[in-house]
Amino acid sequence: RKEVEQDPGPFNVPEGATVAFNCTYSNSASQSFFWYRQDCRKEPKLLMSVYSSGNEDGRFTAQLNRASQYISLLIRDSKLSDSATYLCVVSLSGGYNKLIFGAGTRLAVHP
Amino acid sequence: NAGVTQTPKFRVLKTGQSMTLLCAQDMNHEYMYWYRQDPGMGLRLIHYSVGEGTTAKGEVPDGYNVSRLKKQNFLLGLESAAPSQTSVYFCASNDMTHLAGYTFGSGTRLTVV
Repeated sequence: RKEVEQDPGPFNVPEGATVAFNCTYSNSASQSFFWYRQDCRKEPKLLMSVYSSGNEDGRFTAQLNRASQYISLLIRDSKLSDSATYLCVVSLSGGYNKLIFGAGTRLAVHP
Repeated sequence: NAGVTQTPKFRVLKTGQSMTLLCAQDMNHEYMYWYRQDPGMGLRLIHYSVGEGTTAKGEVPDGYNVSRLKKQNFLLGLESAAPSQTSVYFCASNDMTHLAGYTFGSGTRLTVV
């Protein structure tokens, strides 16, 4: 079983749509949680951290459910520029900041 | 403000050849990492370093060696390249806080024929 599992997609949505991605993680010792965005043939870039109370950054909302070991990302009012792969990432406890990456969910926003 | 710089960006090797990938960061980060990314598998940790002079194995270390002689540089070596090492390699760095994300380099696309 993968440590971080995501639906690979693709999710094809029209501009203006609301889309949600989910992710599950297997290690209950995970301490920190992130969503990264990766454009085609580019490096991953941090989109937002995910906090237990849930957090919002403009059109993006992230939620964490520790009991179910589940993370979500909601994108409202999708833009063409949101087209990318979204990586769910967890950080394990330990002496160094090791990140475990999901394989990513691909989003394609069309006009 | 370069962040993390990787060289080279592209390389084609023949089976059995060796090469070194260079990663340099100018953010004074303690932690540095080498990942590989293959289709459908996500990024997998090869080796990492928690400070100058230290290295440790990650999830998929076989066939690779690393060195961190200077804090700002983290080198990844392939002694005898194999086709299974065809991949995109990303270097990353961060400071020591759990809440900080990684800063990635732009990647090295390696093909072994």
